[in-house]
Amino acid sequence: DGGITQSPKYLFRKEGQNVTLSCEQNLNHDAMYWYRQDPGQGLRLIYYSQIVNDFQKGDIAEGYSVSREKKESFPLTVTSAQKNPTAFYLCASMRSGKSTDTQYFGPGTRLTVL
Amino acid sequence: GESVGLHLPTLSVQEGDNSIINCAYSNSASDYFIWYKQESGKGPQFIIDIRSNMDKRQGQRVTVLLNKTVKHLSLQIAATQPGDSAVYFCAENAGNMLTFGGGTRLMVKP
Repeated sequence: DGGITQSPKYLFRKEGQNVTLSCEQNLNHDAMYWYRQDPGQGLRLIYYSQIVNDFQKGDIAEGYSVSREKKESFPLTVTSAQKNPTAFYLCASMRSGKSTDTQYFGPGTRLTVL
Repeated sequence: GESVGLHLPTLSVQEGDNSIINCAYSNSASDYFIWYKQESGKGPQFIIDIRSNMDKRQGQRVTVLLNKTVKHLSLQIAATQPGDSAVYFCAENAGNMLTFGGGTRLMVKP
């Protein structure tokens, strides 16, 4: 069963804690992306990676960090420096990053800060 | 449509009617466009795409129209069903990145 998986589905964090959101894909896609979605809003790009061991900041990277040690995995860490982390986080992947490629999304992780 | 703060533009249609959702895109260099459907609490799902060398593409019950002159994209859903209720996003690809529109909420009345 091919696709993109994210875990956990729901995550609760206390203020001052770092948390890591998992994203795995078995589509053999080169590019992976993390987005943040706030209620009633569109998607905002946090980080992206077009190849293993390389990643770039998106529009709202402050307070977040990523790694891309394996092609199939792109975990996102929400650090204590992120002042308003409560949101819905979406991971996506794309085959090669070409302009005619489609991004496919995972089911999302809802993070709530207590 | 574009979102305004917490209030997404909403389109309310009667079950069985046709729906038309509109999107204005920003980059005249974009050469690929995608429509996504997002149900509550889920990730966006791919619906249909279109390349810039086309002005119309049809799928099953859905049609996408592209007007490059005015940078406008529309999604038409025929015989709208309750299961079509969701937020619909357009996205444009001008390289290796997608830029998303703010989304439109479609509500289907039984």
